[in-house]
Amino acid sequence: AQKITQTQPGMFVQEKEAVTLDCTYDTSDQSYGLFWYKQPSSGEMIFLIYQGSYDEQNATEGRYSLNFQKARKSANLVISASQLGDSAMYFCAMREGQGGSEKLVFGKGTKLTVNP
Amino acid sequence: DTGVSQNPRHKITKRGQNVTFRCDPISEHNRLYWYRQTLGQGPEFLTYFQNEAQLEKSRLLSDRFSAERPKGSFSTLEIQRTEQGDSAMYLCASSLENSYEQYFGPGTRLTVT
Repeated sequence: AQKITQTQPGMFVQEKEAVTLDCTYDTSDQSYGLFWYKQPSSGEMIFLIYQGSYDEQNATEGRYSLNFQKARKSANLVISASQLGDSAMYFCAMREGQGGSEKLVFGKGTKLTVNP
Repeated sequence: DTGVSQNPRHKITKRGQNVTFRCDPISEHNRLYWYRQTLGQGPEFLTYFQNEAQLEKSRLLSDRFSAERPKGSFSTLEIQRTEQGDSAMYLCASSLENSYEQYFGPGTRLTVT
């Protein structure tokens, strides 16, 4: 069963505008973590933001924020003030279970294009 | 700290040949992960090590695949008798135990002809 679903294969946004990338997840664990990674054309996965299942506040890192809605099992990424350099693939991922980092399960990704 | 490095960055091989990739994690990281990413997909977990112990292997890791981390530092991933379906990007990541963040290397792109 698909554990991470990203329903937007591609998204377009104008430079300086905000964009939301959708992610829904499926787990029966009470303790889990949600991640967003950026993958530019060079191929390297760049960590953007993390949300733990017990975190009460939505995570924020600079221009990135994670809109965590636990009851709906969604963890959408919001990028504010988009820049041309934000054009890349974006992957949502989940870690299940207690403790530290074990394997990550990734979605299929969303290709974001920022237009000038 | 130079981050996670992987070698080679690209490998082209003929079907049936063996290939080996190397991953050097961030020096103080005791956990090391291998993922495979095919075109149009997100990375898929293959295996991970804590120090030199291989703690988990995916069903994706057939008996043609073997991974080692002999001294708990660098790791190698070997694919024997390569098949065209093995063509993919092989990503390595490392982390500290009990840290949620995995740091990824640039990947090794394998093309099997």
